Amino acid sequence: DQQVKQNSPSLSVQEGRISILNCDYTNSMFDYFLWYKKYPAEGPTFLISISSIKDKNEDGRFTVFLNKSAKHLSLHIVPSQPGDSAVYFCAARIQDSNYQLIWGAGTKLIIKP
Amino acid sequence: EPEVTQTPSHQVTQMGQEVILRCVPISNHLYFYWYRQILGQKVEFLVSFYNNEISEKSEIFDDQFSVERPDGSNFTLKIRSTKLEDSAMYFCASGLQGGNQPQHFGDGTRLSIL
Repeated sequence: DQQVKQNSPSLSVQEGRISILNCDYTNSMFDYFLWYKKYPAEGPTFLISISSIKDKNEDGRFTVFLNKSAKHLSLHIVPSQPGDSAVYFCAARIQDSNYQLIWGAGTKLIIKP
Repeated sequence: EPEVTQTPSHQVTQMGQEVILRCVPISNHLYFYWYRQILGQKVEFLVSFYNNEISEKSEIFDDQFSVERPDGSNFTLKIRSTKLEDSAMYFCASGLQGGNQPQHFGDGTRLSIL
């Protein structure tokens, strides 16, 4: 099942710089997308979401961009901070039919001092 | 900030035994979910629960699995006869609404089947 793909297993970014995490999807029936952050031994923590009727949503240091034609979304974190080091998951929901989330494999973000 | 809490944090069980994983969702939430993550694999949906009944379940959620909301606060996942392949992290989540609303997760229960 590769409906949601995060092709970068890891990403290393200098503190203070922008972190860009990418996610691609194949199912055109997805209508709601979410980003979660996960620390070891903890559950996923909701960060930000976007509906398919929008192309951008911003919350503080976090911005999610959605390109429906390319079936691509990205999470921008600026400026990156040491506490941002975690695994980031992209998740998507299928339009109308149900509430289950389909998850990507995650990208481990490492913020270097 | 309200949290989803899960107990126990780690459960070790002999194969074939029954196990119950417990969750206390956020108090005003109406939608409840179980997910699991086998080591090294993606997070997978198991079941969603609303208005005291299952609203959706995945292929993983077979007859060995059941969920219950026995009172106003707890939400449980029961596996009747555990198999080795049931070893995973099990995450409970809750949401205020369905639809375009985020699901909030607990810290998970690590289930180890011996």
